[in-house]
Amino acid sequence: DGGITQSPKYLFRKEGQNVTLSCEQNLNHDAMYWYRQDPGQGLRLIYYSQIVNDFQKGDIAEGYSVSREKKESFPLTVTSAQKNPTAFYLCASSGRVVGTGELFFGEGSRLTVL
Amino acid sequence: AQSVAQPEDQVNVAEGNPLTVKCTYSVSGNPYLFWYVQYPNRGLQFLLKYITGDNLVKGSYGFEAEFNKSQTSFHLKKPSALVSDSALYFCAVSVSGGSYIPTFGRGTSLIVHP
Repeated sequence: DGGITQSPKYLFRKEGQNVTLSCEQNLNHDAMYWYRQDPGQGLRLIYYSQIVNDFQKGDIAEGYSVSREKKESFPLTVTSAQKNPTAFYLCASSGRVVGTGELFFGEGSRLTVL
Repeated sequence: AQSVAQPEDQVNVAEGNPLTVKCTYSVSGNPYLFWYVQYPNRGLQFLLKYITGDNLVKGSYGFEAEFNKSQTSFHLKKPSALVSDSALYFCAVSVSGGSYIPTFGRGTSLIVHP
């Protein structure tokens, strides 16, 4: 079945370590997104990409990095510069870049900093 | 700038009763409006959207929403609630001719009591 796969589902990190969250989609979607979810704060956009080899910062990009080398893949690295990385991270994709298409979400990755 | 408000952090309803989850928006231009549902530790699932046309939109699982331009609202409704409807609901907006990146509300927790 078509969809978005995020891994790992749970991840523990020590302070000072970088970690990379994987996001793969087989929907042939052009646009991909990373959101961070904290209780009571809704979804906040970290990075998005409209096309391969191009990506843009969202509202809370500091301390994060991404790459888009393949259409199917949009990994997110949480760097040691991110001061409060414990959160639920959601990857999404959409088939349209004009705002009318709904987002398809992965199951999320929960990162805990020890 | 576009924004979404979900004025209720939590909505409680008895099973079999009608439910309403409120959403108001602010945009410059014509809005595209979406509702998503999230079950615990899962990604978001698309329920329905308003792009243009009929103000009453029907979606998945018996949910519907009414677009009201004068009140800038897009409330989610269901005639008869089920315990299994208990979840976190998000409203989102993007703008025609503007940013295609949707802005999400903070979410409303719906609790349906048996």
